[in-house]
Formats: sequence, C-alpha cells, structure tokens
Amino acid sequence: NAGVMQNPRHLVRRRGQEARLRCSPMKGHSHVYWYRQLPEEGLKFMVYLQKENIIDESGMPKERFSAEFPKEGPSILRIQQVVRGDSAAYFCASSPGGPDTQYFGPGTRLTVL
Amino acid sequence: DQQVKQNSPSLSVQEGRISILNCDYTNSMFDYFLWYKKYPAEGPTFLISISSIKDKNEDGRFTVFLNKSAKHLSLHIVPSQPGDSAVYFCAAWTGANNLFFGTGTRLTVIP
Repeated sequence: NAGVMQNPRHLVRRRGQEARLRCSPMKGHSHVYWYRQLPEEGLKFMVYLQKENIIDESGMPKERFSAEFPKEGPSILRIQQVVRGDSAAYFCASSPGGPDTQYFGPGTRLTVL
Repeated sequence: DQQVKQNSPSLSVQEGRISILNCDYTNSMFDYFLWYKKYPAEGPTFLISISSIKDKNEDGRFTVFLNKSAKHLSLHIVPSQPGDSAVYFCAAWTGANNLFFGTGTRLTVIP
C-alpha cells in the first residue's frame, strides 16, 4: 500500500508564474489536508478537503491560493502569481477520517526566484 | 498566534541517555496531543499521542506526559539512539478540522 505521494518534490518558479502541487492520498483515504512550512517555523494548516468538497479553508491566504480534490485524480494546490514569500515546503496529508490519523507525504519544496 | 510552542529549537543528548522534549500550549480547547518525527526530505511521521483524559502514555522507548493545569506536555525517549536524531513536532487538536503544530525541536543523539 503506497503512502501519500506528492509531486513534484522540488519546484522552482519565477515571480508571477503559477505553481501546481499535486497530492495523491493513500488508498482508501478520502480526506486530504494541506500544510505549509516556512523556514524555521512549524507546519501551518491551509485547507482540508474531501472528495469534490472544500471542508475548511480557514488557513488559506485569501488571494492567489486555491485547492481542489476532484472525484478522480489527485488533490491540487494551486498558487497563482507566485511571490518570493511563497517559498516554503508544502505538505499534504491524507486520512481515513479526522486529522488525528493523518499520514503525511514527503512534501514539495517550492522555491520562487 | 502560535498556540503550540516548542521553546527549544535544538537538543543534544548522548546515546543511551534520556531525551526530554517539551511543548506548551495556550488553547484550553485542545483535548488531544500528538508527537511527530521528521527526517530531512521526508514528511512528518506519527510517533505517539495522548488524550486529555490521561496524563501519561507509553509506547516502547517513548513516553508522553501531559500536565493539563500547566498546559504542558513532554516527550521522553529512553534510551536515546542515534536513529532518533530528527526534528520532533508537537501537535494539538480541538476535535475540529486541523492540527496545530509547534515549531519543532531538532534532536541530535551523539553516539
């Protein structure tokens, strides 16, 4: 049973470009969580999704960031018009239920030049 | 607003000795606490958890202690092994949609 997959593992973008981060949850998991870790900080919750629904996006910046978890395919975290401050590690976690049973992916390290 | 705090960014311990990692929280609504371990270039992996109705939970070399009145928890690793060298995150849950993480403590176990 494969774990949570994230790709790409490393992503370099120039300011103003778009970044798309993908997350494939563990088999049988229908709950996906996205976290961001800025340098020297802990993981900060961004968004919680179930299939085709955003359940809680209270941690998402109001502009430029969006997330989806379609019926088929991976969850996508999309950042439009990236800025240098978006440089961080973005972790996805999946769960069969609540966040107390999350399994994390290896993360995507986004670097904005 | 950092609701979960790990005030020691790093800790070095000799192999075989006890490692004690500390975590403080401010939100009295937290009722479940977790510790995660993270190696470089990997995602966090769950280590051990404790419910607020308990004050201690033990799993092999790992024990978590919870002091609700002080809003403090600690993770004890004994005996410490070089493979325990990693960043340890404390996390707390209110029962809602997300976990709140501390900033992490980097543990180095010296052979």
